[in-house]
Amino acid sequence: LAKTTQPISMDSYEGQEVNITCSHNNIATNDYITWYQQFPSQGPRFIIQGYKTKVTNEVASLFIPADRKSSTLSLPRVSLSDTAVYYCLVGDHGNQGGKLIFGQGTELSVKP
Amino acid sequence: DVKVTQSSRYLVKRTGEKVFLECVQDMDHENMFWYRQDPGLGLRLIYFSYDVKMKEKGDIPEGYSVSREKKERFSLILESASTNQTSMYLCASGLQGYEQYFGPGTRLTVT
Repeated sequence: LAKTTQPISMDSYEGQEVNITCSHNNIATNDYITWYQQFPSQGPRFIIQGYKTKVTNEVASLFIPADRKSSTLSLPRVSLSDTAVYYCLVGDHGNQGGKLIFGQGTELSVKP
Repeated sequence: DVKVTQSSRYLVKRTGEKVFLECVQDMDHENMFWYRQDPGLGLRLIYFSYDVKMKEKGDIPEGYSVSREKKERFSLILESASTNQTSMYLCASGLQGYEQYFGPGTRLTVT
């Protein structure tokens, strides 16, 4: 399973776009990239998943360059309620059992 | 909406006690997982199960066991609780590995 590296913390202001980059130099051919969000005192929540190029849903966008050694989670126009920890995960999630390896995550703080 | 429930939000147990943490999901998911979360260490996988009566060790299975007698229920057992098992325990379920649905967590304190 590929190890991921992401910033420990980030600060932003309401209304700004936030980009959180995750590096995963040892990503394997079968690996997918998945992002989770966790609010205090709650379990993590799935945000988005991708394999290559760009994926967008109602919450976020995920940009993956051609070499797939990094990925960027983009949150458009954040609000105070986006303050949370964001985890980048890489793995062959399609495998039976689907082991997810959570790293330290990025603690995003959105200020008014 | 998928719902994953855990038997307790907060639990206090004494050292040496046998502790049962229950998790129930209502979406007929094959895969279920138990994690623990500690400050500075993130989430770590204890055990997972991809079918009834099947179980696989995660990264930190020592001191724990699991039981899955029914598809919707996955139990984590601490055979003899110790203070270093004080933690937040999170259960999750899912069809495919990458999209897991987490319960609210059980904050266990072992004194």
